[in-house]
Amino acid sequence: GAGVSQTPSNKVTEKGKYVELRCDPISGHTALYWYRQSLGQGPEFLIYFQGTGAADDSGLPNDRFFAVRPEGSVSTLKIQRTERGDSAVYLCASSLRPGSQETQYFGPGTRLLVL
Amino acid sequence: GNSVTQMEGPVTLSEEAFLTINCTYTATGYPSLFWYVQYPGEGLQLLLKATKADDKGSNKGFEATYRKETTSFHLEKGSVQVSDSAVYFCALSGANTGNQFYFGTGTSLTVIP
Repeated sequence: GAGVSQTPSNKVTEKGKYVELRCDPISGHTALYWYRQSLGQGPEFLIYFQGTGAADDSGLPNDRFFAVRPEGSVSTLKIQRTERGDSAVYLCASSLRPGSQETQYFGPGTRLLVL
Repeated sequence: GNSVTQMEGPVTLSEEAFLTINCTYTATGYPSLFWYVQYPGEGLQLLLKATKADDKGSNKGFEATYRKETTSFHLEKGSVQVSDSAVYFCALSGANTGNQFYFGTGTSLTVIP
């Protein structure tokens, strides 16, 4: 596709449930990022993949959060035992290559609501 | 540490007014600086960027100059339009931050006819 896509666009779940959020980056982009954006705030970094491996997962808030990118393209962010505080917009971004000067292209986000 | 401080909003301007949105940063090393824009109902889009001191990024009439001496990257536009109504985010990415972006809290701009 032309841009980064994310599914679902909205997800409503109950406290304690497990959720998976999917990101499909721009074709050919080797670097992939996950961010979380709370209402009225800027995006906050969660994890970064270079190829298939998580090169930096320092932003994951706790061990309930996990992400994979098994074939170096699509990525899935997994949240176990969801809590109400996990409610936010989860953003995925990709860049052609890693590097601080590289533009990151963002998807439309998945809005997660934990009841 | 690394951080971005943005001018608080919301900002309301009349069409054709001059716009400045202030952004200052704290970073180790030599970061790259970005402005992203989020139009209503849409995702974040790159507006402009600058990768070294004194560089000027520009796009769609917007400009920002990377000022290392004042650690600033203020966004300006000479004459805003109603279609510029959006939320604007300043961000940095640097050699010592890995590849993650650090974003400001965003500044909401509304332009009225």
